[in-house]
Amino acid sequence: GENVEQHPSTLSVQEGDSAVIKCTYSDSASNYFPWYKQELGKGPQLIIDIRSNVGEKKDQRIAVTLNKTAKHFSLHITETQPEDSAVYFCAASYNDMRFGAGTRLTVKP
Amino acid sequence: NAGVTQTPKFRILKIGQSMTLQCTQDMNHNYMYWYRQDPGMGLKLIYYSVGAGITDKGEVPNGYNVSRSTTEDFPLRLELAAPSQTSVYFCASSYRPLRSGDLAFFGQGTRLTVV
Repeated sequence: GENVEQHPSTLSVQEGDSAVIKCTYSDSASNYFPWYKQELGKGPQLIIDIRSNVGEKKDQRIAVTLNKTAKHFSLHITETQPEDSAVYFCAASYNDMRFGAGTRLTVKP
Repeated sequence: NAGVTQTPKFRILKIGQSMTLQCTQDMNHNYMYWYRQDPGMGLKLIYYSVGAGITDKGEVPNGYNVSRSTTEDFPLRLELAAPSQTSVYFCASSYRPLRSGDLAFFGQGTRLTVV
């Protein structure tokens, strides 16, 4: 089955800096790669996703890149704000969805 | 606009006890899922359902059972609680499969402790 690894497990940045979270996956058949944000005490929420036929996707301060050959994808958050502080999960999907272990992002004001 | 509602929010069980985690969605979604989230880990799929009357095992189904008698409800049953089942449980729903890119709605979670 699919195996998703996510790094780093914790990330602390200064407000205004960029944050990058990286994931690798094992199943070359996976074709859908979402990113979820989980705030304290809440369920995960989809923030951006990318399909295997696209190399990069942007939505305001958030972007995701995908390298199918290397089987890795990354989340980029620019101009970070304190409200970006949360746990971020990557996932890879073909028949089912497998999640990474999560990255706890802290944005210091 | 309730979305996905899980009850209870918190529960402490003794080893060997049983309980049912309730999940209801009011969006007429076909697909429903149960995940568990252990500390420092991602979500792992326990069971899922593609429609009323149909359920399938996920990644970690042992020790759990589910049923889907209606489109709205997808309860998760623990028959003989074990300490290894201490976790946060999330129910989710989507109109189409998650792999299609459809938006999944998650409940607030149930924090279960087995002592």
